[in-house]
Amino acid sequence: DTGVSQNPRHKITKRGQNVTFRCDPISEHNRLYWYRQTLGQGPEFLTYFQNEAQLEKSRLLSDRFSAERPKGSFSTLEIQRTEQGDSAMYLCASEQSTGNTEAFFGQGTRLTVV
Amino acid sequence: SQQGEEDPQALSIQEGENATMNCSYKTSINNLQWYRQNSGRGLVHLILIRSNEREKHSGRLRVTLDTSKKSSSLLITASRAADTASYFCATGYNTDKLIFGTGTRLQVFP
Repeated sequence: DTGVSQNPRHKITKRGQNVTFRCDPISEHNRLYWYRQTLGQGPEFLTYFQNEAQLEKSRLLSDRFSAERPKGSFSTLEIQRTEQGDSAMYLCASEQSTGNTEAFFGQGTRLTVV
Repeated sequence: SQQGEEDPQALSIQEGENATMNCSYKTSINNLQWYRQNSGRGLVHLILIRSNEREKHSGRLRVTLDTSKKSSSLLITASRAADTASYFCATGYNTDKLIFGTGTRLQVFP
């Protein structure tokens, strides 16, 4: 257990539905990252927050995706109008900012869109 | 997009043997990190090596970094069945996000 918690662990949804995932980082960490991982590939960066500010978004993050970290603590990732191509593992990570430090990952949320 | 490639893509060895995985990357880095991922689970941080370091050890792990060749290697000595997992290298630069490679799937047979 790294201390980063993600819920739910698994989500099956029908195409077109909206889904929301939650990440609770390690409490003293001010940086929070979202990654997406498809089968057989390494994780790909989606977005990250420093405290409540969203500092960078990947081109992978289409307008159907939105992420928030309202009080600089937990974060949510919402996918609207899900598509089959959204099926993946969504990973959250946190770290104490300064760079050159390790990131701690949660267990991920596996999304299956049917 | 992925930063680079791990080599080999898959590796099968017997318990007690050493496992070596290589990682190549494309751009300048501040650090390179290795992570382990058991099937369907999250990533576990193994070791971080900074761009001004050439070698680092942690228990049975040895990591080397050659910035001139833009490559790194991870050596696991005296492997155990519990080392069976996928191993990823990830590079960090000024943007702070990690860029992962494609991973090496290691199978250690008892």
